[in-house]
Amino acid sequence: EDQVTQSPEALRLQEGESSSLNCSYTVSGLRGLFWYRQDPGKGPEFLFTLYSAGEEKEKERLKATLTKKESFLHITAPKPEDSATYLCAVQARQAGTALIFGKGTTLSVSS
Amino acid sequence: DGGITQSPKYLFRKEGQNVTLSCEQNLNHDAMYWYRQDPGQGLRLIYYSQIVNDFQKGDIAEGYSVSREKKESFPLTVTSAQKNPTAFYLCASSIPRREGTDTQYFGPGTRLTVL
Repeated sequence: EDQVTQSPEALRLQEGESSSLNCSYTVSGLRGLFWYRQDPGKGPEFLFTLYSAGEEKEKERLKATLTKKESFLHITAPKPEDSATYLCAVQARQAGTALIFGKGTTLSVSS
Repeated sequence: DGGITQSPKYLFRKEGQNVTLSCEQNLNHDAMYWYRQDPGQGLRLIYYSQIVNDFQKGDIAEGYSVSREKKESFPLTVTSAQKNPTAFYLCASSIPRREGTDTQYFGPGTRLTVL
């Protein structure tokens, strides 16, 4: 069964304290892995798409990496405005265009 | 500005009533989706449509219905048969691709509460 597991469920950081969020996946043929940011009461905002192991993408303080079994979202020197829930999703080859989501990691950054 | 709009933002329903959630996009995307989000759970797919006048059930379609008469619009009806409809509903759209993958973009969501 295709599934996505994110850890930790919640993460508290001090401003400037770098860390990583993990997304482990089991899928029968990966078409793509997605990272989204979601603020409370709002829709997810697209961050990155990763297609193959070894691929990396960066945006401001965020860097996403991908291996054959997991993806990491690295946050460098976070600021309070980075506080949000980060969602990971995979698209499997056999599932058409449907995405399978993890439960998310809620990040809180305090100043 | 191109984007996805959902209305209303908040919706209250009495038990036994059907309600319809609106989703409109002006991104010229072919595919549209409805997801449901509950606290502590990942997004779950209700229905999706890759082309006008065609749609498929997702993992939790029971108690819901959709239509796709126009490319821009994909309304979701929550029927009285849905046993636990209180949730945050998200609409998304994408350009489906045969090769590679397609990125889904989400609307702002509708929070439905059953009284």
